[in-house]
Amino acid sequence: KAGVTQTPRYLIKTRGQQVTLSCSPISGHRSVSWYQQTPGQGLQFLFEYFSETQRNKGNFPGRFSGRQFSNSRSEMNVSTLELGDSALYLCASSFPVSDDRGDSEYFGAGTRLSVL
Amino acid sequence: AQKITQTQPGMFVQEKEAVTLDCTYDTSDPSYGLFWYKQPSSGEMIFLIYQGSYDQQNATEGRYSLNFQKARKSANLVISASQLGDSAMYFCAMREGISSGSARQLTFGSGTQLTVLP
Repeated sequence: KAGVTQTPRYLIKTRGQQVTLSCSPISGHRSVSWYQQTPGQGLQFLFEYFSETQRNKGNFPGRFSGRQFSNSRSEMNVSTLELGDSALYLCASSFPVSDDRGDSEYFGAGTRLSVL
Repeated sequence: AQKITQTQPGMFVQEKEAVTLDCTYDTSDPSYGLFWYKQPSSGEMIFLIYQGSYDQQNATEGRYSLNFQKARKSANLVISASQLGDSAMYFCAMREGISSGSARQLTFGSGTQLTVLP
């Protein structure tokens, strides 16, 4: 069974540009979450999508947005890039069930974004 | 207040020995889950082990076990028989409100960098 796939793995952009990151979840998983990881702030939750709807959002500015398609694949967009957006962006997928025992979130390898 | 606290920025362990990584958490939600992830230098977060707040027994997965002390709000990870490949950053995380099946969000600690010495 294929894991979570994130593309691209590495990205270099300049300030003011916009960027789109892609995440393909594990087959059958319907929930996709995005996280930002920086040395200073650690791992922070961006948002979660389930059945094409954003269910939860972290404390990030509106420049950060996302969407989920009917096949559960998700994209994350950052507009008007700032130097501080340089980070590892991780995507996680999971399948919510009523009995949540052992229901973990499985992560991809991440997209490392550098803003120059 | 920090919801997840990992007080050991770095740890060293000799190969084949056991090591305990500390994690304390703070929540008023009676229903929550605790997770441990391993992050090698490549960046991928690898799921290791899960403990639900209502689980009566400590979780185990191979060489990994979770020492869950609910009253003390601690969920320490124990790695037995350490291997060189265990060298990585380890994160403790929590998700609240798990029984509702609603929106999910993991809160992470700051991590512990484990180095296994030959």
